[in-house]
Amino acid sequence: AQKVTQAQTEISVVEKEDVTLDCVYETRDTTYYLFWYKQPPSGELVFLIRRNSFDEQNEISGRYSWNFQKSTSSFNFTITASQVVDSAVYFCALSDRTGNTPLVFGKGTRLSVIA
Amino acid sequence: DTGVSQDPRHKITKRGQNVTFRCDPISEHNRLYWYRQTLGQGPEFLTYFQNEAQLEKSRLLSDRFSAERPKGSFSTLEIQRTEQGDSAMYLCASSYGPSPEETQYFGPGTRLLVL
Repeated sequence: AQKVTQAQTEISVVEKEDVTLDCVYETRDTTYYLFWYKQPPSGELVFLIRRNSFDEQNEISGRYSWNFQKSTSSFNFTITASQVVDSAVYFCALSDRTGNTPLVFGKGTRLSVIA
Repeated sequence: DTGVSQDPRHKITKRGQNVTFRCDPISEHNRLYWYRQTLGQGPEFLTYFQNEAQLEKSRLLSDRFSAERPKGSFSTLEIQRTEQGDSAMYLCASSYGPSPEETQYFGPGTRLLVL
């Protein structure tokens, strides 16, 4: 079955601190894709990254980095030197070829960055 | 290139009324998805289309919910005989590619309040 768990419901950090958002997934498929989306207070989901199950290289994009570990079924997201504009709800999501749901989301982690 | 658009952005209705929401995907995208998001939860998949064909609708919440994409471009989601439990954000997304694992890009959502 497809499942995404984001155990951290809410996180608060002070500006310029680093913060890591955890994501653990479950799938029986060997080919799958993992995503992170950002949902600011305006409500629109903004795509951040897509990784496939065959590419375990970590990725860095500016202050954002992602750590994909198949051994622990985790796809964690780190924001370095956080800023107030990073305050949002962040969702991890999974897409595979099983089941009838193209994309399964976790419940999200609300990040508050305090100035 | 314009993003996914949804109309209306907000809808207030009385219990028992019918409502219809519209989604215009990114122009070259062949797949279109509908999700529902309630407070504190991640988006929940409802249904999706490839061109004008509705490929999955078993996740629609009840027979009061229906969706169409008659010409493979815009789509409508209708809720008949609305109930207070239907109050939520309804999100539309679109993607391009041969499979549902492609990246989905989301619209701003329609926030529904049923009184």
